Order: sequence, then structure tokens, then C-alpha cells
Amino acid sequence: DADVTQTPRNRITKTGKRIMLECSQTKGHDRMYWYRQDPGLGLRLIYYSFDVKDINKGEISDGYSVSRQAQAKFSLSLESAIPNQTALYFCATSDLLGSGDEQFFGPGTRLTVL
Amino acid sequence: KQEVTQIPAALSVPEGENLVLNCSFTDSAIYNLQWFRQDPGKGLTSLLLIQSSQREQTSGRLNASLDKSSGRSTLYIAASQPGDSATYLCAVSPDSNYQLIWGAGTKLIIKP
Repeated sequence: DADVTQTPRNRITKTGKRIMLECSQTKGHDRMYWYRQDPGLGLRLIYYSFDVKDINKGEISDGYSVSRQAQAKFSLSLESAIPNQTALYFCATSDLLGSGDEQFFGPGTRLTVL
Repeated sequence: KQEVTQIPAALSVPEGENLVLNCSFTDSAIYNLQWFRQDPGKGLTSLLLIQSSQREQTSGRLNASLDKSSGRSTLYIAASQPGDSATYLCAVSPDSNYQLIWGAGTKLIIKP
């Protein structure tokens, strides 16, 4: 079984709809991250969480919100989706003490906003 | 502000060649540097992690070096194979309580 899973893997939605992307991990890591990737650009951090009670904005948090429901679960919401949020979204986890903060990624969710 | 650059954006070489992928960063004060591989339709796979106190890391046919003073890291791939075809990304962590800062990647094609 994959250590970091994301659902859904693909989603097409319309402008103005609320969307939730979910991430689960079995690695036992405290740290979790949400990134987006656009063609020709590096990954950009949306939000990150270092433990269940810790939520931090990343580089591009506007238009997004997150919830850390448990150590193993971190969800990303788009409250009112817009076309420029069309991108590939990745969830990642890391463990500072165990693996020197090496990040491990899920398979990604391809989101299209029409 | 830390910036990470990967040149070239794309590279095509015949199978069997040894090759080097480059990553440069503007601020030498880093915590670690990671190299990843991304295959189409799949997530990112961590290849090598180099801590700031290290000069290089090796895994199989891969060797990553780090020169903080010059702001450079290289990923050396020995005896390239078609299965090495992928996009290779490097990312820098400024400190242990901060996020990764990413290059845009080098798309590598190994021709049989």
C-alpha cells in the first residue's frame, strides 16, 4: 500500500464550486504539506502543518484553506474554485527527527476548473 | 529571497551515457537539498537528500554533490537507461522549520 495517498486522483469542476482534496499517510510523520504544480514552474507551497494543532500559510495560500483532522489526515479546500486554480496538487509528509525532514509525496490530484 | 534554478530545462541523450544535471541556488545558507524524480501521471519520488554538512550522497547509479559556497548541486547519473527518463527536480530547504524551495526541473529523455 502507498504511504501517502490522495483522493480524488482527477477532478473536473466548474467555477464557483467548493472542492475538497484529501490526503492520508501511514508513515507516522508529523509534518504534512500541500503543493501545487503548474507547467514550467516549480512546486509552490500552499499550506503546511507541523502537527495536528499547527497550520501555516505557504507561498500561495489565497483561495485555499486546510484542515488537519488527525496526524494522518490533511485536507485542502477550494471554497470557490476559479480557472487559474487548475493545476496538479501534491500532498507530502516529512519527519524532522526520523529522516532529516526528507519529504515524501503522494501521487497527485489533477484538478481542472472550467 | 532564495531562488533555485535548473538548467537545462530539457536534455536528450543516448542510452549508456553518463550525464550531469545541474541545480543552482542563490543563498548558501541552506539546511538540506533534495533531488526528486517525477514520472508523468505519478507523484514525486525522493532520490537523494543531502544535509548542509555533507558534500555528496550516493544511491546506486546516482550521485548528488553539494557545494554551498558556490550555490550548486549536481546529480550524476551513470550508465543512463531508458527507464531513467523523467523530470528531475531539486529543492532547497532554508532551515528545519521551513518549506522546500523548488527548481522548475530538467526533463530528461534517454534514447534507446
